[in-house]
Amino acid sequence: GESVGLHLPTLSVQEGDNSIINCAYSNSASDYFIWYKQESGKGPQFIIDIRSNMDKRQGQRVTVLLNKTVKHLSLQIAATQPGDSAVYFCAESGGNKLVFGAGTILRVKS
Amino acid sequence: SQTIHQWPATLVQPVGSPLSLECTVEGTSNPNLYWYRQAAGRGLQLLFYSVGIGQISSEVPQNLSASRPQDRQFILSSKKLLLSDSGFYLCAWSYSSETQYFGPGTRLLVL
Repeated sequence: GESVGLHLPTLSVQEGDNSIINCAYSNSASDYFIWYKQESGKGPQFIIDIRSNMDKRQGQRVTVLLNKTVKHLSLQIAATQPGDSAVYFCAESGGNKLVFGAGTILRVKS
Repeated sequence: SQTIHQWPATLVQPVGSPLSLECTVEGTSNPNLYWYRQAAGRGLQLLFYSVGIGQISSEVPQNLSASRPQDRQFILSSKKLLLSDSGFYLCAWSYSSETQYFGPGTRLLVL
């Protein structure tokens, strides 16, 4: 079946720097994408979403970029803080289900 | 606002024992409901989803089953647990194919 994969399993950034987490998806028919943040021992939390008719969407300190030509999704976190340390998952919508990527661990160094 | 509850939060069970995990959603009606399993340090594996009462779709053949006896209640069960059933079990709800919202999870350890 189709799957969503991540390029980097672990990302370490210095506090205050910007973080970029990447995701490659394989289903060109996907029209809705989501980023989740999962802190240790907790359920994933919604961060931001984007539909396929958009290239960019901004939230508070986060930006999601969608490149449909190369089937690539990225999450940018500005001025990364220690509280941003978590596992980040991308997901693509497939009917009544979401297909999740493997996840990227973000570690913020103080 | 909507809230999703899961219990118990943690569970230690012997191999061969039965299992029942419960998930309930408040503040919404006729949601889609999902059960996922997450192994330590890994991604999310969809186990079951339901679009209505009594409607269950199974994603992975396994030792588990799911039921939806009420609109906002989703139960994950097993008659005999295996060691490989250990993991973090997450329930989620959504409207149709939109964003899924996750519960706090149940950590299951089978010994």
